[in-house]
Parts: sequence; C-alpha cells; structure tokens
Amino acid sequence: QQQVKQSPQSLIVQKGGISIINCAYENTAFDYFPWYQQFPGKGPALLIAIRPDVSEKKEGRFTISFNKSAKQFSLHIMDSQPGDSATYFCAAKRGQAGTALIFGKGTTLSVSS
Amino acid sequence: NAGVMQNPRHLVRRRGQEARLRCSPVKGHSHVYWYRQLPEEGLKFMVYLQKENIIDESGMPKERFSAEFPKEGPSILRIQQVVRGDSAAYFCASSLYDTEAFFGQGTRLTVV
Repeated sequence: QQQVKQSPQSLIVQKGGISIINCAYENTAFDYFPWYQQFPGKGPALLIAIRPDVSEKKEGRFTISFNKSAKQFSLHIMDSQPGDSATYFCAAKRGQAGTALIFGKGTTLSVSS
Repeated sequence: NAGVMQNPRHLVRRRGQEARLRCSPVKGHSHVYWYRQLPEEGLKFMVYLQKENIIDESGMPKERFSAEFPKEGPSILRIQQVVRGDSAAYFCASSLYDTEAFFGQGTRLTVV
C-alpha cells in the first residue's frame, strides 16, 4: 500500500518556466509534509516543509501548496533553472513521536537551457 | 558543523559476506533512521532508532538485517549473508526531534 503517491515520474521544463510536482496522501493522521531534493550520488536534502495549518508556504523560488480536504500537496518551482535539475521527493509523517517519514517515489526534473 | 556522516561511501561484498554500514548523526541528534533506495525507486523506510532503543523496525526484513544505535558511537546497519538483491543505496538520517530529518550521503552497496 503506497501511502504517498507522487506525480509525474519525470518532468522537463524550459529555463524560466514553472515546475509543478504533485503528491497525494491517504493517512489523515499525517501532519508534516516535507520536500527533499536529491542530486545524483548525493543524499536527499531538505528543501521546504509544511504543516496542515497553513495552505501555502514560500521560500525563495520554492512554494508548497497544501489542500487538506483533497489530501494533496504540491511543490512549485518558479523561474526554474538548470541547477534545479534533480530528483524531488515528497514525504509525509505523523506528528507523534516514534514515526518515520514516508516518501513518494520521486520526480526527476530536467530544466533545459 | 558536521552533518550526518556515513561510511563507507561505497562497499563491495561477495554473496554470503557481511556488510556493515555506519552512520554518525548530527551532533546532539538522538533520532536515527535508515532508508534503502533502489534505482528508479523512492526511499523505503527500514528502521528508526533512538539511543540504545529500536523504536520501529517495521520496514526491515526479518532475516539477515539488524540495526543498533549504542550509547556511544555510530549507528550500525548490519546485513548478514548478503545477496545480489541487497545491492542498493542505504541512507541514514538524523533528527533532533521527530520532524526535520537530515540525510547523509549514503552508502552504495554492491553485491557481486
């Protein structure tokens, strides 16, 4: 049972465009939703995270939009740059102690110059 | 300010040997998580440990795999009698509380 579903699997965006990656979750007990960025041969790096008490969070060119009723959240990368080319993972977690992050399968983003 | 340190970065083992992966969390972090990543796959949770305790090992295979996080020293993920299917990247993450988790660079295990 896949608790966090991520789409698309791959994405090609032109430089300066908007990259949008979507995730849906099933467990209504999840209350922490981070996004991670991973470059080849490296470990995932925390990019931005949101809790369900807000509908949107912005950090620089990266924005998370959260729809609690639809159980969906998305990552928007504005003004996408070739340096943004990486694999992006959404994740979700229950807030209580003793639980681990559950990850989506990832989206490989390629930003063409 | 050192992040999560994993070693070795690359490990080659013959079938039937033991693989031992080490993870030193961020200084002061008491929560450690191990994940496995296969090509084209996401990160699969394996085990969650706090100092000297296994909190959740629901993602870890019942046989051949074990993990520990002793009072002193790094966390260890041990795989006994490795098989080709164990070839993957293994990532460790640590957190101060149980939210923000920071990942290491991973250990890439190849079983030949």
